[in-house]
Amino acid sequence: GAVVSQHPSWVICKSGTSVKIECRSLDFQATTMFWYRQFPKQSLMLMATSNEGSKATYEQGVEKDKFLINHASLTLSTLTVTSAHPEDSSFYICSEQLAGAYEQYFGPGTRLTVT
Amino acid sequence: DQQVKQNSPSLSVQEGRISILNCDYTNSMFDYFLWYKKYPAEGPTFLISISSIKDKNEDGRFTVFLNKSAKHLSLHIVPSQPGDSAVYFCAASVFRGTASKLTFGTGTRLQVTL
Repeated sequence: GAVVSQHPSWVICKSGTSVKIECRSLDFQATTMFWYRQFPKQSLMLMATSNEGSKATYEQGVEKDKFLINHASLTLSTLTVTSAHPEDSSFYICSEQLAGAYEQYFGPGTRLTVT
Repeated sequence: DQQVKQNSPSLSVQEGRISILNCDYTNSMFDYFLWYKKYPAEGPTFLISISSIKDKNEDGRFTVFLNKSAKHLSLHIVPSQPGDSAVYFCAASVFRGTASKLTFGTGTRLQVTL
């Protein structure tokens, strides 16, 4: 399957600051990338769908001004958590998908802790 | 509204035996189903999938069965190995051309004991 990297793998930030998480496709140029978050012992919740060169599509209930997504190239999508608060502490995971495929291949995730 | 459900939060199986993980869905539009394995603090790893036009797909020790009339699928792992201990998520999708979103179940934690 595809190889996806995320950076950083772990970050602690203070309340009110912004944090950027990178998601890179290492072996093929993904048409679409997805961003998920997972709270402890819960399922993966889709936050947004990201396509290169266009605005991300956010799921209902996800604040687009708080979770800024940029997909500037076929291999890189970034998620910026702006003005982070403790309730934003979570595990953020990205995935990639080729056009026409169902399978998504996931990155290793980023643990965000907001103090 | 939980469209994909895994009603067993945990399962314990002895090494060498069969592990059966179950998943139910409510949306009859789903046409593709996938199973992922996840370790703590890691991203999910794709295991196996099945199209709605099939009722069985096999890959090594992993077999997925689909019962469309019951809106039920299951993952069989035979024989189970200690390394299979992880959380297993089923996911369902509707084909949408360029991008197909996945709806995940709540996960089942499998523990394979010696």
